[in-house]
Amino acid sequence: AQTVTQSQPEMSVQEAETVTLSCTYDTSENNYYLFWYKQPPSRQMILVIRQEAYKQQNATENRFSVNFQKAAKSFSLKISDSQLGDTAMYFCAFPYKAAGNKLTFGGGTRVLVKP
Amino acid sequence: NAGVTQTPKFQVLKTGQSMTLQCAQDMNHEYMSWYRQDPGMGLRLIHYSVGAGITDQGEVPNGYNVSRSTTEDFPLRLLSAAPSQTSVYFCASSYGSGDRGFHEQYFGPGTRLTVT
Repeated sequence: AQTVTQSQPEMSVQEAETVTLSCTYDTSENNYYLFWYKQPPSRQMILVIRQEAYKQQNATENRFSVNFQKAAKSFSLKISDSQLGDTAMYFCAFPYKAAGNKLTFGGGTRVLVKP
Repeated sequence: NAGVTQTPKFQVLKTGQSMTLQCAQDMNHEYMSWYRQDPGMGLRLIHYSVGAGITDQGEVPNGYNVSRSTTEDFPLRLLSAAPSQTSVYFCASSYGSGDRGFHEQYFGPGTRLTVT
């Protein structure tokens, strides 16, 4: 079974500083994607960044970047120059191919950006 | 493109009532799915469909029914509502599976359902 674990239930960061969210997962698959989703108070699920497991290079999207360690099955998200609008729940997600690509979500990390 | 739309945004039901949550997408996506999100938790898959006429169960299917008669629409039916079904429901769609996983899912805005 696929499992996705986010070990930090809540994190706070000062505006303009950097915060890193951790995610570990378990899979026997070799080629796959990993995703980070953001859920602000509006509840809308917004894709932040995705990583393809066959790519060595870590994905970057503006102020968001990942540190993907395939052997360790670790997929952390770094938010640089944090902004007030980054306040949200962040979910790591893994698509389980053998079950129709069901997205398995971690429990989430609540990020609070303080002015 | 409207993307993924869901109606209604809010609904209150009494125990035992039935209703249908509507979901539509205009991106010609093959794959559609329904998730529920309970307080403080991630999303859990209820049912999914890999194309018109094809549906399958997810992680928490009991008490829900789906059908997929067209590519665009994927309604979720609650057969006899129970308080345990109080949750926020999300519909999502994607292009479908590729060799290395699948393309990212696009989510609707969610429906907050309360069963009393």
